[in-house]
Amino acid sequence: NAGVTQTPKFRVLKTGQSMTLLCAQDMNHEYMYWYRQDPGMGLRLIHYSVGEGTTAKGEVPDGYNVSRLKKQNFLLGLESAAPSQTSVYFCASSFTGGPPYQPQHFGDGTRLSIL
Amino acid sequence: DAKTTQPPSMDCAEGRAANLPCNHSTISGNEYVYWYRQIHSQGPQYIIHGLKNNETNEMASLIITEDRKSSTLILPHATLRDTAVYYCIVRVTGANNLFFGTGTRLTVIP
Repeated sequence: NAGVTQTPKFRVLKTGQSMTLLCAQDMNHEYMYWYRQDPGMGLRLIHYSVGEGTTAKGEVPDGYNVSRLKKQNFLLGLESAAPSQTSVYFCASSFTGGPPYQPQHFGDGTRLSIL
Repeated sequence: DAKTTQPPSMDCAEGRAANLPCNHSTISGNEYVYWYRQIHSQGPQYIIHGLKNNETNEMASLIITEDRKSSTLILPHATLRDTAVYYCIVRVTGANNLFFGTGTRLTVIP
């Protein structure tokens, strides 16, 4: 049982390049989330999805786009990478938002450096 | 959303109970207390949650004061693998956003 799998685990980009981070979950969860974590800080929500074909903005959405074409996959795109987007990106999923509360299950992160 | 306050760091001897406090004095009646932890370089892991009654599961116990303004996460027999950053989060259930602050860095000492 893989849980939440993030691809790639590490990536270095040059300013202005684009890339897509992939999150896949095999738990049949409806909700999926993308967070970023900067050094010494907690996680901040970028975008989330409450079901296939839906997306919504989180706390820090600027500079990112997302798509949820299949229930098990949630893609995070950077169209024109900037050094300020250097961070560790975490994907999470949950059955629903509750109630009752459904814990979020996290992947192990993608470490992205933008030069 | 209610703001939480946690000590930045704590130490605990291996095998002893680790008691991690959290203040949430502005918590409202429909907000739950959630605890997650993040072991180095890994994604956060759910531990436990509660509304007003004390809760226990296989990982930990959660003690919430009667006025709900503070809570304590208890790891009954800390091991080296419990070394992590512990996040206390207060949120209305059903909301999609979990606000992670800076948490408490717990170091379990051999």
